[in-house]
Amino acid sequence: AQSVTQLGSHVSVSEGALVLLRCNYSSSVPPYLFWYVQYPNQGLQLLLKYTTGATLVKGINGFEAEFKKSETSFHLTKPSAHMSDAAEYFCAVTSTMTTDSWGKLQFGAGTQVVVTP
Amino acid sequence: KAGVTQTPRYLIKTRGQQVTLSCSPISGHRSVSWYQQTPGQGLQFLFEYFSETQRNKGNFPGRFSGRQFSNSRSEMNVSTLELGDSALYLCASSKTDAPTGELFFGEGSRLTVL
Repeated sequence: AQSVTQLGSHVSVSEGALVLLRCNYSSSVPPYLFWYVQYPNQGLQLLLKYTTGATLVKGINGFEAEFKKSETSFHLTKPSAHMSDAAEYFCAVTSTMTTDSWGKLQFGAGTQVVVTP
Repeated sequence: KAGVTQTPRYLIKTRGQQVTLSCSPISGHRSVSWYQQTPGQGLQFLFEYFSETQRNKGNFPGRFSGRQFSNSRSEMNVSTLELGDSALYLCASSKTDAPTGELFFGEGSRLTVL
């Protein structure tokens, strides 16, 4: 079984400050990891994903995340927050090795980001 | 290139009724998945279809069902609606046949059950 834990349901950050959203996963097989963003009344948009290879992954809108196997973490960062980053962010995991994964992502509970001027 | 299209965007039903939601995937995508999003339970996987076959299913009661057509469009149906079925229902499509293909989400259908 797989699971995702996002630390902090709400994060408030000042415009221009570092954004750090924490994600820890549990998986018995090599995972694929994702970060999605959801703006109000919209669906989910993929920010970035880790499959294999380089553990530092760069995504859209200046976000990046680092896969740390030893810490079972996949934290999301952005050096400088912008007002447009206010949204809800979801970390997700799926398995690389089972057909039970078809179409199925295990999502964390989400972190709501508020950006203050 | 058009994204994933879901209809209707908003709907209100009463307990005991049934509802059908529609999803048109991105052109060329053959895998369609459905998710339920609620404040209490978060994002939960309902089922996935590929080439008109359900390949994967989440832990939802039989009142939740779906199907996929030959053009990859998909519908989901919820019968005998309960108050707890109020949620945002998200459809996602994927290009690849691999289990870990990137999912592209629609904007969702927001169902309110009174």
